[in-house]
Amino acid sequence: GAVVSQHPSRVICKSGTSVKIECRSLDFQATTMFWYRQFPKQSLMLMATSNEGSKATYEQGVEKDKFLINHASLTLSTLTVTSAHPEDSSFYICSAWRGQTEAFFGQGTRLTVV
Amino acid sequence: GQNIDQPTEMTATEGAIVQINCTYQTSGFNGLFWYQQHAGEAPTFLSYNVLDGLEEKGRFSSFLSRSKGYSYLLLKELQMKDSASYLCAPMDSNYQLIWGAGTKLIIKP
Repeated sequence: GAVVSQHPSRVICKSGTSVKIECRSLDFQATTMFWYRQFPKQSLMLMATSNEGSKATYEQGVEKDKFLINHASLTLSTLTVTSAHPEDSSFYICSAWRGQTEAFFGQGTRLTVV
Repeated sequence: GQNIDQPTEMTATEGAIVQINCTYQTSGFNGLFWYQQHAGEAPTFLSYNVLDGLEEKGRFSSFLSRSKGYSYLLLKELQMKDSASYLCAPMDSNYQLIWGAGTKLIIKP
């Protein structure tokens, strides 16, 4: 079964509203989780590294005030897309490491902003 | 810079064998992952290689040559459900996965 659970799997929101995406590690503790974004037919793009108990580390070009990341516990990280616009429509995926050699991905969230 | 090179697309026949090659350049190296991704879904972990050689896991095998910056994924007894994209992702010295665009594998009956 899934070891990393991401919710919701699909969301449609109106332009200007905010959307929260949750990523949970189900049977292990993850001090670090990663958030990715994927446009159709393109590779995964790392957006940020989420660290439990501290601020997230954002990749160059990713607006930290727009994509708020909170890693409140060792099993939960959230990504909030604030004031969403149609160009934010994408597939968002989280991942968490179990140990040093196993990285698991959530199911992904397809966000559509209308 | 960091770079991944995989074929964009490959076609194979059901029941056959296919090898997907990957060459990479990274800042440091902490192993290489292969993932399978079906359209519209998140990637699924297939294999991890950190030492040179072949790792076999059922119908899938993965090979690594660190000195050549080269890996391949070998899929045997192909099934229609194997139609997917296959992503080669080396890990750099910061333990970050470096992603390419993947190889789209099309299986024909």
